[in-house]
Amino acid sequence: SAVISQKPSRDICQRGTSLTIQCQVDSQVTMMFWYRQQPGQSLTLIATANQGSEATYESGFVIDKFPISRPNLTFSTLTVSNMSPEDSSIYLCSVASAGGNTIYFGEGSWLTVV
Amino acid sequence: RKEVEQDPGPFNVPEGATVAFNCTYSNSASQSFFWYRQDCRKEPKLLMSVYSSGNEDGRFTAQLNRASQYISLLIRDSKLSDSATYLCVVNPTGSARQLTFGSGTQLTVLP
Repeated sequence: SAVISQKPSRDICQRGTSLTIQCQVDSQVTMMFWYRQQPGQSLTLIATANQGSEATYESGFVIDKFPISRPNLTFSTLTVSNMSPEDSSIYLCSVASAGGNTIYFGEGSWLTVV
Repeated sequence: RKEVEQDPGPFNVPEGATVAFNCTYSNSASQSFFWYRQDCRKEPKLLMSVYSSGNEDGRFTAQLNRASQYISLLIRDSKLSDSATYLCVVNPTGSARQLTFGSGTQLTVLP
């Protein structure tokens, strides 16, 4: 499986600020995804990061709040904008498996908003 | 009804015990099934796929019952290192974008 690196690994942020999370993959991948896992909850897909075009957002997530970049096939960023305590969560970058029917995750970015 | 449901536990078992988790899914057309393991404050990691005929990987056995729409994970001879949350994951369409995650079952193996 691909090696997926995320940074920052954790951060404590002030309410109203924005944070950009970076995801680097050691090989070119077609599909990259951003997930959120709120405390005690399961994983929710935020969006699919598309290379060369706008990300595809899932219901309940919008570009203004979670802008995503995908400049090439090995890198993506997720920004969490105008943060509130409700945004405290783990944010996970992931890539599709070779077979395309499941995914592998990066180490995650642990975000606490105070 | 949730798309994927798991007993949240916690399951507390002694070392060496056998423990089984079940997971039910609502979409009868679901195509692929997986178990992930998530350690405390870590990312989920793929433990094993679940095949129609059932499959085994060492101490772990996964089974699929399409008629009753559930999958199971059996862990034999539990080790302390098996303590984690086990996530049931269902792919209804075959596309990685459509994965649906259960909330997880927490297992603690006690010495």
